[in-house]
Amino acid sequence: RKEVEQDPGPFNVPEGATVAFNCTYSNSASQSFFWYRQDCRKEPKLLMSVYSSGNEDGRFTAQLNRASQYISLLIRDSKLSDSATYLCVVKEDGNNRLAFGKGNQVVVIP
Amino acid sequence: DARVTQTPRHKVTEMGQEVTMRCQPILGHNTVFWYRQTMMQGLELLAYFRNRAPLDDSGMPKDRFSAEMPDATLATLKIQPSEPRDSAVYFCASGSRDRGYGYTFGSGTRLTVV
Repeated sequence: RKEVEQDPGPFNVPEGATVAFNCTYSNSASQSFFWYRQDCRKEPKLLMSVYSSGNEDGRFTAQLNRASQYISLLIRDSKLSDSATYLCVVKEDGNNRLAFGKGNQVVVIP
Repeated sequence: DARVTQTPRHKVTEMGQEVTMRCQPILGHNTVFWYRQTMMQGLELLAYFRNRAPLDDSGMPKDRFSAEMPDATLATLKIQPSEPRDSAVYFCASGSRDRGYGYTFGSGTRLTVV
């Protein structure tokens, strides 16, 4: 079983709509969680950390469900510039290693 | 903005040749990673260093790959001999505990082995 699993999509989203997707992780000892964004042929860039209580950054909301071992990302009022692949990232406590999912591809359509 | 610098950006080489990729981490970052990205496997960790010491290289084929940090400003990843299945994008990333583990990636080296 992969450490971090994501539905690759693509998720085709009309501009202005809301899109949400999850990722699941297998290691219950995982302690830190992140969403990274990767544009085509570019490097991954940190979008936001995910906190236990959930957190927002503008139009982006991240949630963590430890009991079910999944993380979610919601994008409100989608913009064309949100088109990218969103990578779910998990880090174990005491270990700097980051495990990446394969990403959710989002395509925002005019 | 501080950046992780990787060279070369692109590399095309023939099977059997040695390939060396270089990374300059952000000044002050004490943790350096090498990742490989392919369509099939996504991002895979090859090796990582903390304070220049290798901590984990279990993701790296030992017979042909080697990773080193000769000093705090340079990390290298070598493949010898290269094979077509090594074709991928190789990313270096750096970070530090003080910065909450928001690791910064370089632009990557796109390697094609023919």
